[in-house]
Amino acid sequence: NAGVTQTPKFRILKIGQSMTLQCTQDMNHNYMYWYRQDPGMGLKLIYYSVGAGITDKGEVPNGYNVSRSTTEDFPLRLELAAPSQTSVYFCASSYRTSGGTEQYFGPGTRLTVT
Amino acid sequence: AQSVSQHNHHVILSEAASLELGCNYSYGGTVNLFWYVQYPGQHLQLLLKYFSGDPLVKGIKGFEAEFIKSKFSFNLRKPSVQWSDTAEYFCAVRAGGNQGGKLIFGQGTELSVKP
Repeated sequence: NAGVTQTPKFRILKIGQSMTLQCTQDMNHNYMYWYRQDPGMGLKLIYYSVGAGITDKGEVPNGYNVSRSTTEDFPLRLELAAPSQTSVYFCASSYRTSGGTEQYFGPGTRLTVT
Repeated sequence: AQSVSQHNHHVILSEAASLELGCNYSYGGTVNLFWYVQYPGQHLQLLLKYFSGDPLVKGIKGFEAEFIKSKFSFNLRKPSVQWSDTAEYFCAVRAGGNQGGKLIFGQGTELSVKP
């Protein structure tokens, strides 16, 4: 299993541009998550999904959109990039919420908006 | 609102020193607790987790953590650190029965181990 994969690894955007961060998992996990990591702030949840066709907002959803058309994929969309969205973005997945399972993280995407 | 607090932002130790990183959370109900580690340039990896049972849990690479319910704490310990333990450590909490399994992360503690 490849686990959780993310593309691209790095990206520089100009203010106002849009882009999609890709996330794919091959573990048949039903739950998927998007976090952003900023220095000294830990990880903040942007959006999450409990299954195909179902998404919900996390702590910091403004400026982002997601979709979950398949179990495997959970892309994150930035429509109008702003400097405040400069961050490292991590995708994660888990199999279920009870019974002792943890989240598995992807390698991250480092995004700079200038 | 639930929150997680890690007391130390940056800890510097010499090799073979003992380590204890503090983690406190605010939530009155059942919780699942995690410590993740992020080595430089890498993604988060699970060190250990607590769901139920023995409050002293052992993880990988000689790490352990103790859940003290009365203190809302889940401190991470290691008796003797190595240079390779240099990394950022994150405590995370998931409220029991939390729809969607969302984790709340602490701010992280950067550990630097001098050889």
